[in-house]
Amino acid sequence: DTEVTQTPKHLVMGMTNKKSLKCEQHMGHRAMYWYKQKAKKPPELMFVYSYEKLSINESVPSRFSPECPNSSLLNLHLHALQPEDSALYLCASSQVDLGFRNQPQHFGDGTRLSIL
Amino acid sequence: QKEVEQDPGPLSVPEGAIVSLNCTYSNSAFQYFMWYRQYSRKGPELLMYTYSSGNKEDGRFTAQVDKSSKYISLFIRDSQPSDSATYLCAMSGGGNQFYFGTGTSLTVIP
Repeated sequence: DTEVTQTPKHLVMGMTNKKSLKCEQHMGHRAMYWYKQKAKKPPELMFVYSYEKLSINESVPSRFSPECPNSSLLNLHLHALQPEDSALYLCASSQVDLGFRNQPQHFGDGTRLSIL
Repeated sequence: QKEVEQDPGPLSVPEGAIVSLNCTYSNSAFQYFMWYRQYSRKGPELLMYTYSSGNKEDGRFTAQVDKSSKYISLFIRDSQPSDSATYLCAMSGGGNQFYFGTGTSLTVIP
């Protein structure tokens, strides 16, 4: 079992639906990330939160909306998605050391999202 | 030129073989060098990482970093069928961005 917990594990939604992906970590990490991964490809960065503030948005379409309610939780709100958005969505977290360097990331097992 | 290059394989070896996985990179500012293992339908699992240069050993796994050549390696000794997975290298300069290789698919045949 990973120390980063993602729910749900699977999600099927229509293009008009609104849903949310959730991620939780209790390792005290202060950086949290959302990635998108397509089959046989490496993870592709979407968003980074550092100390609960959005620090990187990799030009992600507005139909994806991240939220970091506190240092342990990360959400990804989904609305009006397209079939090409079907993928594995991974959450990761990492410690930030005293020199403000991001330590290696720990990943959850992802949410497998299918858009009908 | 990509930040990180990794041979995608696939790589197929008999059980008990020594496996060598490699990545090259172009950014001399990278300080953290990581290896992840990803099983099908699972998230990447952090196997090992090194900070700056040198070697690190953990059981059957050895990670090496050669900063002068901008080359990192992961060696797996006495490979087992349970090692069959995709191995991803990743690197960062300590900032928010982590740069991944494309992953190498490994199959260990019993």
